Amino acid sequence: EVQLVESGGGLVQPGGSLRLSCAASGFTFSTYWMSWVRQAPGKGLEWVANIKKDGSEKYYVDSVKGRFTVSRDNAKNSLHLQMNSLRAEDTAEYYCARDIGDLWGQGILVVVSS
Amino acid sequence: DIQMTQSPSTLSASVGDRVTITCRASQSISDWLAWYQQKPGKAPNLLISKASTLESGVPSRFSGSGSGTEFTLTISGLQPDDFATYYCQQYNSYSWTFGQGTKVEIK
Repeated sequence: EVQLVESGGGLVQPGGSLRLSCAASGFTFSTYWMSWVRQAPGKGLEWVANIKKDGSEKYYVDSVKGRFTVSRDNAKNSLHLQMNSLRAEDTAEYYCARDIGDLWGQGILVVVSS
Repeated sequence: DIQMTQSPSTLSASVGDRVTITCRASQSISDWLAWYQQKPGKAPNLLISKASTLESGVPSRFSGSGSGTEFTLTISGLQPDDFATYYCQQYNSYSWTFGQGTKVEIK
């Protein structure tokens, strides 16, 4: 089955760290750009980061630059988002998405609160 | 950064209505525009890519048009399953941007 499954979310204190993962299956993961998109509770969609097929190029929204790092392991068909120095405003449902968004994971909730 | 402005924010309509949502880009994005439908508690679903290309499995009542800075999503004959929030997204640059969303409500 073609799918993306996120994991690693949860409750974290402000200033803390969390690593999200996205497991891909059913397609040739290494041939696609991948992205992270988030959605704060009751709000719209916000693109967070993109990573090229081979991981050689990465792009971030300004609000997470220097704090978040996107990476991928094509041998393990997995995408990751390392989130450091987390803030309350990072609280959101985080989705991984393939290419321009033709396939999405189910989402994983990250709550930053003391 | 490219800004995307969607209008209206909310739209009240009845089953069978023709509905149009507009998305404007702050600079030309050629036809690098996608439209998504999102229902509560669910991931977005890609409806249209490259401004007017209907994704596989998407009903033909959905259509997209435009290029440059002005784009529209039209639903011809609104169905009960279409009441949802719709987002435009530009992918002209590697830094994507979404519109703020349009909620289509039952009138």
